Amino acid sequence: QKEVEQNSGPLSVPEGAIASLNCTYSDRGSQSFFWYRQYSGKSPELIMFIYSNGDKEDGRFTAQLNKASQYVSLLIRDSQPSDSATYLCAALRDNYGQNFVFGPGTRLSVLP
Amino acid sequence: EPEVTQTPSHQVTQMGQEVILRCVPISNHLYFYWYRQILGQKVEFLVSFYNNEISEKSEIFDDQFSVERPDGSNFTLKIRSTKLEDSAMYFCASRSGAGGNTIYFGEGSWLTVV
Repeated sequence: QKEVEQNSGPLSVPEGAIASLNCTYSDRGSQSFFWYRQYSGKSPELIMFIYSNGDKEDGRFTAQLNKASQYVSLLIRDSQPSDSATYLCAALRDNYGQNFVFGPGTRLSVLP
Repeated sequence: EPEVTQTPSHQVTQMGQEVILRCVPISNHLYFYWYRQILGQKVEFLVSFYNNEISEKSEIFDDQFSVERPDGSNFTLKIRSTKLEDSAMYFCASRSGAGGNTIYFGEGSWLTVV
């Protein structure tokens, strides 16, 4: 069974610090990985995606992928209270895959 | 910016009643999805739809669920006989498929079964 695992948290960091969110996946056929942010009662919104091993940076966000270790992470630099939300990791098997598998999400709390 | 729209935003229904949740995916997207999120729990895949047919469904998507694309724009999820445990937020999503793998979610339909 394809699984995506995340620590449920809550992860608490002070404002201005780096928040590190981790995700592991079981399906080695997964090719693409996505980070979504979800505020309470709202729909998930895409932060960024990553396909290749290594780092990918977008503003304050950096996604890291290590396919050998089946590990994906998201770093949030200069964390702000508005970053407080649940962060969902999702995996897509391949470019023709139909089903995104979501992790349970990690709750992040950025303390002012 | 194009977006996925869902109606209703909130529906309360009695147990055993039929419910239809409606979605208008992003124009020109080819893949359509329904996900469910029970309060406080993870986002769960229900079904994917491509080329006017179901391409994949989860074990949650049993005989009481059905999907339909009645015209060129709407994508509906029907629950025939609702149960208390069907109370959840239902998200519709769509994906381009033409080199685009990102799925975009609607705002969700909150279903409460009483």
